This record gives sequence, C-alpha cells and structure tokens, in this order.
Amino acid sequence: SQTIHQWPATLVQPVGSPLSLECTVEGTSNPNLYWYRQAAGRGLQLLFYSVGIGQISSEVPQNLSASRPQDRQFILSSKKLLLSDSGFYLCAWSTSGIYNEQFFGPGTRLTVL
Amino acid sequence: DQQVKQNSPSLSVQEGRISILNCDYTNSMFDYFLWYKKYPAEGPTFLISISSIKDKNEDGRFTVFLNKSAKHLSLHIVPSQPGDSAVYFCAAWGNRDDKIIFGKGTRLHILP
Repeated sequence: SQTIHQWPATLVQPVGSPLSLECTVEGTSNPNLYWYRQAAGRGLQLLFYSVGIGQISSEVPQNLSASRPQDRQFILSSKKLLLSDSGFYLCAWSTSGIYNEQFFGPGTRLTVL
Repeated sequence: DQQVKQNSPSLSVQEGRISILNCDYTNSMFDYFLWYKKYPAEGPTFLISISSIKDKNEDGRFTVFLNKSAKHLSLHIVPSQPGDSAVYFCAAWGNRDDKIIFGKGTRLHILP
C-alpha cells in the first residue's frame, strides 16, 4: 500500500531563516506530487506540482521553491522566511493522469516569528 | 480569480439532521468534482467524487449532486454525526490538467 510522509510535523522559525520541508511517498512509482498551503482563514492553495523528476510547476509567485531530486521525494524550500509564510503545509500525491484523487500527507505546521 | 467557490465558511447542523454543503464553479471545462474532509492538524482525506456525466453519486450517508447548467454541486450528509465535524473542501479537475482546484472550504459543526 502507498504511504506519504512529511517532516517535520511542526516547525517554529525566525523571520529570515531558511526552510526545508520534505515529503516522501512509498509504494508507488512516478507519482504526481503537490505542495499545498492552508493559511489561517483560507483554503488549500496549490503552491507547486511535479509530474516527474526535475519537473516543477509553480502556481503562485512567492519566496518559496520546490525541488524533486528523486522520483518519490518532493522538497519545499525557502532561503529567507517571511511572516506570511506561516501556515499548514501539505504534500500530496496522485497517480499520473487526470481524474485521480490526491492523497495527502499529515502536514507540517510552520510558524514564522 | 477563484474558480471553485464555497461561499459558506461555516455551517452548524443538529446531530441527526441533514447537512448540505454547497460549491459553485466558474470554469465550464471542469468535468470531475471531488469532496475532501479535513480534521485539524491532519491532511485532507478523499470523501466522494462525481463525473460531469452524472448528476448524483451516493456513498452511504454521503451524496453529491451536480447541476451542470448552474455550475453548482452540493454534498449531502444524512444523518449527520458528531464525527462529521470537520472542514469540507470542494475540488474540481479540468480535463487537461494534472492538478485539482480546491475551494476555500466550509467548516461543519455538528451540534449535539
């Protein structure tokens, strides 16, 4: 069966510090991978998605970046965090193609102080 | 521009009654719709979906209705139970993308 892992579960970082959130998927190959953010009072905002290694599509302009160094690894990064980067970050995967439900990881709660 | 809209940020329903969560969309190219349920500090979980070739899909206590002409779908939960208290996200696929567009969610409170 497939599982998706995210770490860390919670993170408190000062403004201006770097960020690295990791997501890995087990039990499937060549998944589509997604990073979402759920900010206070807002819905699920798609940040990045990837259909293959090294292929990253950015949905919104921001100071975050994503990388996919391996087939089942997706990393969300920032060089300098902003207060507005606080939120709940969710990684998701789906099988390639359309109309496939996405499976979400447990999320990372990021607080930028 | 929000393509999937959930205009009610929250909804309170008595236990045992019917919960109706609404969702509107603007893109007529959307042809597959999903509902996700999310508890605090957890990732969303898939609940039910519907293709645009149908107008109703039922799974146990959950039924999704689709009105294509109105670009509107709704999720009915009956009877509502305490464990249904969560945030519900409506989402839509376009037929050319590898991504889902989510609404902002509706927080459902089931009252005892």
